[in-house]
Amino acid sequence: TQLLEQSPQFLSIQEGENLTVYCNSSSVFSSLQWYRQEPGEGPVLLVTVVTGGEVKKLKRLTFQFGDARKDSSLHITAAQPGDTGLYLCAGAYTPLVFGKGTRLSVIA
Amino acid sequence: NAGVTQTPKFQVLKTGQSMTLQCAQDMNHNSMYWYRQDPGMGLRLIYYSASEGTTDKGEVPNGYNVSRLNKREFSLRLESAAPSQTSVYFCASSGFGGGGYEQYFGPGTRLTVT
Repeated sequence: TQLLEQSPQFLSIQEGENLTVYCNSSSVFSSLQWYRQEPGEGPVLLVTVVTGGEVKKLKRLTFQFGDARKDSSLHITAAQPGDTGLYLCAGAYTPLVFGKGTRLSVIA
Repeated sequence: NAGVTQTPKFQVLKTGQSMTLQCAQDMNHNSMYWYRQDPGMGLRLIYYSASEGTTDKGEVPNGYNVSRLNKREFSLRLESAAPSQTSVYFCASSGFGGGGYEQYFGPGTRLTVT
């Protein structure tokens, strides 16, 4: 059973468009993390959200943790080709539990 | 401060050959991990070490062994490689940072078994 479901699995958009990707679970997590993995590289931590309802912004990226701490979303405003990559969410278990990711392609 | 380093970056093996993937971290982290990543399967945990001297199986441990040599180093060994072990292997370490429990990944080893 996959603890963390990410959607959509694939997303291809034009430069300048907005997008939202989702990470959902039936389990409650004490915190949730988002990673970005560029082609040929290892995943890199973007943000950790800890409090239910928390919203964090990282330039054009906005991360939200659901009130019940079972889900999270990542919204990108005015996507750029440099945003292309695999976006992974991970829930705070020991060890971390990863979703399968959303593969984003931003076309110039 | 190099973070997490892995060697080699690329490797081709024949079925039945053995090899060891090396991983080292310089962040003084207690916990270290080995994952494999396959298309459509996400990151799957092979083994992890919560602290020096301990190792535990993850989701897909069959065909692999690990050694936590010291706090810095965590190696992954394939005793008899099989084509099903063709994958990208990532080592990671974790510790508490400003954002809580943070995990850092190495650049990966791309392994092909023919």
